[in-house]
Amino acid sequence: GENVEQHPSTLSVQEGDSAVIKCTYSDSASNYFPWYKQELGKRPQLIIDIRSNVGEKKDQRIAVTLNKTAKHFSLHITETQPEDSAVYFCAAPSPFTGGGNKLTFGTGTQLKVEL
Amino acid sequence: DARVTQTPRHKVTEMGQEVTMRCQPILGHNTVFWYRQTMMQGLELLAYFRNRAPLDDSGMPKDRFSAEMPDATLATLKIQPSEPRDSAVYFCASGLPRTGNTEAFFGQGTRLTVV
Repeated sequence: GENVEQHPSTLSVQEGDSAVIKCTYSDSASNYFPWYKQELGKRPQLIIDIRSNVGEKKDQRIAVTLNKTAKHFSLHITETQPEDSAVYFCAAPSPFTGGGNKLTFGTGTQLKVEL
Repeated sequence: DARVTQTPRHKVTEMGQEVTMRCQPILGHNTVFWYRQTMMQGLELLAYFRNRAPLDDSGMPKDRFSAEMPDATLATLKIQPSEPRDSAVYFCASGLPRTGNTEAFFGQGTRLTVV
């Protein structure tokens, strides 16, 4: 099955700085890589995803890059703001024996944006 | 906007009692996931349904946990008997799988405390 590793586990940045979170995966057949943001006491919410046919995707201040050869993908947040403070999870799919895919999540990164 | 609905939001119960958690997936979604979130283990997949059929429940302790989808609008996760180690937040997620991705939209979760 898929093994997803995420680093760092905690990240503290100053407001306005950039933040980068990295994940590696093990299954070379994986082809979809979402990122979720979870604020304290709330549900994980999909913020951006990337498919294996592209190397980078941007959405305003967030971007995701994918290196299929090295089997790693990263989340980049620029011009960080206090509301970016949350736990961020990466995920990668792995096949079920019975068909379909399940998402295996990384262990999460606690991002704190300090004023 | 369409959301996954989970009930109850919070549940405190005594060890040995039965607990039933309910989930209403987004209308039209044919896949349902149950995840358990703890500080130690992160997001663990417990069960996966597609078109109401259980495809994988290998992550679920079979002796006390059971998951069902009585109809397309209701998924249930039951614990009987409950134990203190079951204390966690249980998330239901639904999705509509497309080629190359496995989107999952999370409900707000049920915070379970077993005392």
